[in-house]
Amino acid sequence: GQNIDQPTEMTATEGAIVQINCTYQTSGFNGLFWYQQHAGEAPTFLSYNVLDGLEEKGRFSSFLSRSKGYSYLLLKELQMKDSASYLCAVRDTIAGNTPLVFGKGTRLSVIA
Amino acid sequence: DSGVTQTPKHLITATGQRVTLRCSPRSGDLSVYWYQQSLDQGLQFLIQYYNGEERAKGNILERFSAQQFPDLHSELNLSSLELGDSALYFCASSVGWQGTEAFFGQGTRLTVV
Repeated sequence: GQNIDQPTEMTATEGAIVQINCTYQTSGFNGLFWYQQHAGEAPTFLSYNVLDGLEEKGRFSSFLSRSKGYSYLLLKELQMKDSASYLCAVRDTIAGNTPLVFGKGTRLSVIA
Repeated sequence: DSGVTQTPKHLITATGQRVTLRCSPRSGDLSVYWYQQSLDQGLQFLIQYYNGEERAKGNILERFSAQQFPDLHSELNLSSLELGDSALYFCASSVGWQGTEAFFGQGTRLTVV
């Protein structure tokens, strides 16, 4: 089966750091993705991890531990515009086909 | 702008009807994915096409079908619509069926009344 878990909601203060966790159990694994989605808009790609470790991209970083089935997205120097849903997705390799399987998303509210 | 175009943006229709959603992938992308997003379910994978052929099937109802045409655009057909089919339908594309990130269109908001 496939299961991707992330917290439903989080709140953080402008200028602070927030960590959004994601755990997954999938029948296969070929990469983990983080997407940002503002309400009613399309998801936009943030990061991709296929090997263990930390990937840094500006204010956003993503970490992966394949042995633990765990990832987190770290957002630094939070801005009001970072208020959005953050979607964790796994590329689940099934007989060579690789759809992205998404968690339900974490709705982040950034407050002043 | 992701380069993925979906039409129409909004659609309101009655129960029992049939609708067609259209997607044009980014230039050069061969893979098209369809997702359904409702408030309580998150993004649910429906179906994937690669270069005209079905590649993977997710939680797609038998009332729903899709195809990808020679010019690589795709259509998602939803029939015998029910109130519960009201959702955002997203199309995404990527370079290959084992490519990296997928780029999403702006979605079609379907409301069934």
